[in-house]
Amino acid sequence: AQTVTQSQPEMSVQEAETVTLSCTYDTSESDYYLFWYKQPPSRQMILVIRQEAYKQQNATENRFSVNFQKAAKSFSLKISDSQLGDAAMYFCAYRRTNRDDKIIFGKGTRLHILP
Amino acid sequence: AAGVIQSPRHLIKEKRETATLKCYPIPRHDTVYWYQQGPGQDPQFLISFYEKMQSDKGSIPDRFSAQQFSDYHSELNMSSLELGDSALYFCASSFYISQTQYFGPGTRLLVL
Repeated sequence: AQTVTQSQPEMSVQEAETVTLSCTYDTSESDYYLFWYKQPPSRQMILVIRQEAYKQQNATENRFSVNFQKAAKSFSLKISDSQLGDAAMYFCAYRRTNRDDKIIFGKGTRLHILP
Repeated sequence: AAGVIQSPRHLIKEKRETATLKCYPIPRHDTVYWYQQGPGQDPQFLISFYEKMQSDKGSIPDRFSAQQFSDYHSELNMSSLELGDSALYFCASSFYISQTQYFGPGTRLLVL
């Protein structure tokens, strides 16, 4: 069975600094999707970034980028120039490429932004 | 852009009552997923539908049932509610080409 592990329950970063959230996963599949979702206090689930496993190039979305290491089954999220609005719970997530497959979430990392 | 709509947004029920949660996917999305997120927990997959047929089932109690209708909206029916059913229930939808699931705002269910 596929699993997603986030080893950092909480992290803090100074505003305008850079922070990296860690995630590892386990799967026997060769092709799959990885995601980072953000859940602010409103509890809305917001897609931050997505990575297809067959792509070697790391995904980037503005201040958010990932370091995808397929062999190591590692998928970390880097947030540059942290802003107060980045404070949230961040979930790393995995999904097989089957058309209608479910998402498997990690336990989450709560990110605090210090002014 | 249109998003996933869930209703109601908040619901308070007594133990042993029933509840019905509704989900309206993004237009033209053909797949709907239901997730349950308990307090301080990560979302857990309950059930999914593709083209009005159940496509996958997760840790959904037998007291719960769901269906997808001809207009693609979905309903999650919960009977004999228990205190432990108190949670945030998300619906997500996707279109098969996209492969990305878009989440609704969730329904907060409180069972007293």
